[in-house]
Parts: sequence; structure tokens; C-alpha cells
Amino acid sequence: NAGVTQTPKFRVLKTGQSMTLLCAQDMNHEYMYWYRQDPGMGLRLIHYSVGEGTTAKGEVPDGYNVSRLKKQNFLLGLESAAPSQTSVYFCASSYRQTPRMNTEAFFGQGTRLTVV
Amino acid sequence: EDQVTQSPEALRLQEGESSSLNCSYTVSGLRGLFWYRQDPGKGPEFLFTLYSAGEEKEKERLKATLTKKESFLHITAPKPEDSATYLCAVQALRTGGFKTIFGAGTRLFVKA
Repeated sequence: NAGVTQTPKFRVLKTGQSMTLLCAQDMNHEYMYWYRQDPGMGLRLIHYSVGEGTTAKGEVPDGYNVSRLKKQNFLLGLESAAPSQTSVYFCASSYRQTPRMNTEAFFGQGTRLTVV
Repeated sequence: EDQVTQSPEALRLQEGESSSLNCSYTVSGLRGLFWYRQDPGKGPEFLFTLYSAGEEKEKERLKATLTKKESFLHITAPKPEDSATYLCAVQALRTGGFKTIFGAGTRLFVKA
């Protein structure tokens, strides 16, 4: 059981280049999330999805786009990378959050991105 | 403003030396508080969920407690393999859904 898988694990980009981070989950979770983690700060939500074909902005969405064409996949795109986007990116998934059920998130291993 | 603060930032213990990590929060509409463990180069791994003040949960050498303003993660007789960063996250009810706020974490080092 793979859980949440992210690719690539490491990447170096030049300013202005574009790339897509891939996330796949095999737990049939409805919700998927993209976070970034920076030193001294908590995980910050970039975008999330509550189901196939739906996406929504999180806390820090500027400079990123996402797509969820299939339930098991959630893609994060950087159209024109900037040094401020140097970070570790985590994808996560969870069952549907409801007023009666509060479920934990399952995280991938992370993608370490450096923009020079 | 919603805020989650973890202290200390780093904690160094000798093997067997019990201690506690703190997570204080100012969030309205609390739905639950999560604790995660994160090893270097890995993603966070779920430990506990607490829902209401007075609730406690245990797992091996770890025990999490919750009050109306803070949560503690007690580590009893820690071992070197307990070394990791421990993250606290608070989930709050908001219009149209939920909001999860993460603390910056406490890095725990346990020396043999």
C-alpha cells in the first residue's frame, strides 16, 4: 500500500521556468491538499480539492495552479518560478471532513524545490 | 487572528528523561487538535486527534492532553528513536468548511 506518492523528490529550477509536481494517492480519499513548509513556519496550505474536478485556494495560492482531473491525482503547477517559491512541498489526502467526522491527513514524502 | 504556537522550538533530552511539549492556540470554533510526528526528509505522520477539553490519548511513550487553550504532548522515558519534529495542528469550523492551522513544530533530540 503506497499511500501518498509525490514526484519528483528533488528539483532545481531557474527563475522563470515552469514545472508540475505530481501527487497520487491510493486510499480513495475525497480530499487532497498541497502545502509548503518553510523553516520556522508551520505548514501553509496552497490549494486543496474536495473532490474530482474541484479545486479551491488555500492560505498562500499566488504563483501556483492546481488540477484534479482524477480522484487519485492532484497536480501542482508553477508557471513562472521565483526564488520565493524555494521550499519543501507536501501533498496530503484525507477522507471527507464533516461536522461529525474529523479525519487526519496522510502526507507524502515531500518535494524539495530550489529556485535559483 | 487564528494562531498556533508551539514551545519550545527545540528540546534536548537524555534517554529516560521525561518532559512535555506545548501547543497553545487562539482559534474560535475548535473542531479538533492533531499531533503529528515528522522525521527528517519525511512527511508528517499522524499520532493523535483530540476533540474536547479534558480528553487524553496515549500511544507507547506518548500521551496527549487538551485544555481550552493548549495541548501538551508528554513523553515518558524517551528513547533516541523518539527524536523527531512534533507538529501540532488545530482544525476550526469556518463558513463553508474547515480551516487547519499548523504550528511551527518542536524539534526533539533524545541522546543515548
